[in-house]
Amino acid sequence: GIQVEQSPPDLILQEGANSTLRCNFSDSVNNLQWFHQNPWGQLINLFYIPSGTKQNGRLSATTVATERYSLLYISSSQTTDSGVYFCAGLLNTGTASKLTFGTGTRLQVTL
Amino acid sequence: GAVVSQHPSWVICKSGTSVKIECRSLDFQATTMFWYRQFPKQSLMLMATSNEGSKATYEQGVEKDKFLINHASLTLSTLTVTSAHPEDSSFYICSARSPWYGYTFGSGTRLTVV
Repeated sequence: GIQVEQSPPDLILQEGANSTLRCNFSDSVNNLQWFHQNPWGQLINLFYIPSGTKQNGRLSATTVATERYSLLYISSSQTTDSGVYFCAGLLNTGTASKLTFGTGTRLQVTL
Repeated sequence: GAVVSQHPSWVICKSGTSVKIECRSLDFQATTMFWYRQFPKQSLMLMATSNEGSKATYEQGVEKDKFLINHASLTLSTLTVTSAHPEDSSFYICSARSPWYGYTFGSGTRLTVV
């Protein structure tokens, strides 16, 4: 199956700072999604972004499918941004479509 | 839209007992649901794909007799951890794919086996 690596594994930011999270995948995927897992474990779908760039408030994401990577930008970070960010690639195998999650970036935003 | 409800949120059980976790799609029908397992500070690992009206498809290394999956309706899948042991303690998350919102996840179940 595909391998999905994320960097950095851990990140500490001061409130108001910007950051870029990276996701590399080993094989072509049909789409890519970014999720935020809050401290209580809930996964929130941030972006479905197979290619191109999307923006939602302080967050934006860019996927360059031909080069097998995706970036998540967080601007003007807030303490509520803390948690783990996962990218996940969808690989179609016949009738099964499975999301493979990356290794995650653990973000802590401090005051 | 696209809400997935998972219950219970947490459960503590004695070693050797069985625990059932429910996953419901509240406002859409899901012919396929997914069960993940997450250990502390690790990523989500797919355990199995639950198919409505047919047998679940388990990932390599996942014991199907240990983790029983039933998907009896288009809105409900259940995961039963049978004869639970402390090593089964983990965070279990279900997911369903809605036609409009993509993959949506339940809030997870934290299982502790003592």
